[in-house]
Amino acid sequence: EVQVVESGGGLIQPGGSLRLSCAASGFTVSSNYMSWVRQAPGKGLEWVSVIYTGGTTKYADSVKGRFTISRDNSKNTVYLQMNSLRAEDTAVYYCVRAAWDYWGQGTLVTVSS
Amino acid sequence: DVVMTQSPLSLPVTLGQPASISCRSSQSLVYSDGHTYLNWFHQRPGQSPRRLIHEVSNRDSGVPDTFSGSGSGTDFTLKISRVEAEDVGVYYCMQATHWPITFGQGTRLEIK
Repeated sequence: EVQVVESGGGLIQPGGSLRLSCAASGFTVSSNYMSWVRQAPGKGLEWVSVIYTGGTTKYADSVKGRFTISRDNSKNTVYLQMNSLRAEDTAVYYCVRAAWDYWGQGTLVTVSS
Repeated sequence: DVVMTQSPLSLPVTLGQPASISCRSSQSLVYSDGHTYLNWFHQRPGQSPRRLIHEVSNRDSGVPDTFSGSGSGTDFTLKISRVEAEDVGVYYCMQATHWPITFGQGTRLEIK
């Protein structure tokens, strides 16, 4: 069964760092594009980042220079390292196989003092 | 960035009646390979989004045939032929032709 499971969210102070994890099963992350999408409370969906099969990465302008997407093929896991967090980064973060067919349940990141 | 504009933003519908959501893009979504990377998603309250339609009109596995997608270029439509109770929630269009990937604002479907 194909599944993606996010973890690592929580409450963090502005300026802090957090690393989200996305553990995949039923498929190989290195053979798929993998994306992160976020949804602020009560708002719509915003694409955040993607990692291609070859390792190339792209970011939304809103997170460029602060967030880093990576993967560990041995663990079949994708990560999102989030630095210099701001209040506007508060959202549920979804890991998505970027054929857009499988989404995780999301992990909530709250940036607040 | 490609702007995706959905209408209406709120859609009250009577059970058993049809519903239609429009999605317009600020640029053509036809990619250089000839494909049009326009997807539709449904998000029920408290759940993750679920893809319904990919590449304009291809229904995903398990999606009822009451759902259909159509359109081309910059103008796309999601239609529900007969709304059922489980269809409530927010519907989003998304383009993956141009970077960055962008979503519409969402259309909230509710039962009258």
